Amino acid sequence: AQKITQTQPGMFVQEKEAVTLDCTYDTSDPSYGLFWYKQPSSGEMIFLIYQGSYDQQNATEGRYSLNFQKARKSANLVISASQLGDSAMYFCAMREGGYSSASKIIFGSGTRLSIRP
Amino acid sequence: NAGVTQTPKFQVLKTGQSMTLQCAQDMNHEYMSWYRQDPGMGLRLIHYSVGAGITDQGEVPNGYNVSRSTTEDFPLRLLSAAPSQTSVYFCASSTTRGRETQYFGPGTRLLVL
Repeated sequence: AQKITQTQPGMFVQEKEAVTLDCTYDTSDPSYGLFWYKQPSSGEMIFLIYQGSYDQQNATEGRYSLNFQKARKSANLVISASQLGDSAMYFCAMREGGYSSASKIIFGSGTRLSIRP
Repeated sequence: NAGVTQTPKFQVLKTGQSMTLQCAQDMNHEYMSWYRQDPGMGLRLIHYSVGAGITDQGEVPNGYNVSRSTTEDFPLRLLSAAPSQTSVYFCASSTTRGRETQYFGPGTRLLVL
């Protein structure tokens, strides 16, 4: 069964608009972590944001926030005031299990975000 | 602080050849992982390590070996290269000290003919 699902293969958004990238996950472990990464056309993987399963508040990092809905098993990435430089592939990922699984992080298939000027 | 480094950046192999992809990190991270990314797809976990001397298989381990004799280094060995192993390989290191983060190396592009 797929553990991480990103249902939007591609999205187009107007510059300066907010955008939400969807991610749902599947786990029965009460301890897990959720990550978002950005991969621009240059190919490097850039860590954006992290949310732990026990964190009470939604994670925020500058223009990025993670809308964590535990009961629905969703961890959507919200980018406020999008910029042309936000055009990239975005991957959702999950660590299933406690910190001893910190190197066993699995990825979704990604969403390609394109920002229109 | 170089972060995560990978060598080589690009490699061409013939079917049946073996090689080692190098990965090193200077952040004293406990955890390290190897992923492959095929065109237009996400990353798939090959092998991972939770510390020196401890490794385990990920989602797609067949055809690859790893070892971790030091905290810093985590080489990936292709035993007998096949065209299906043509991919971009990423090494990553992570820590749970403070906020949990995972850092990636720049990747190695491998072409198997």
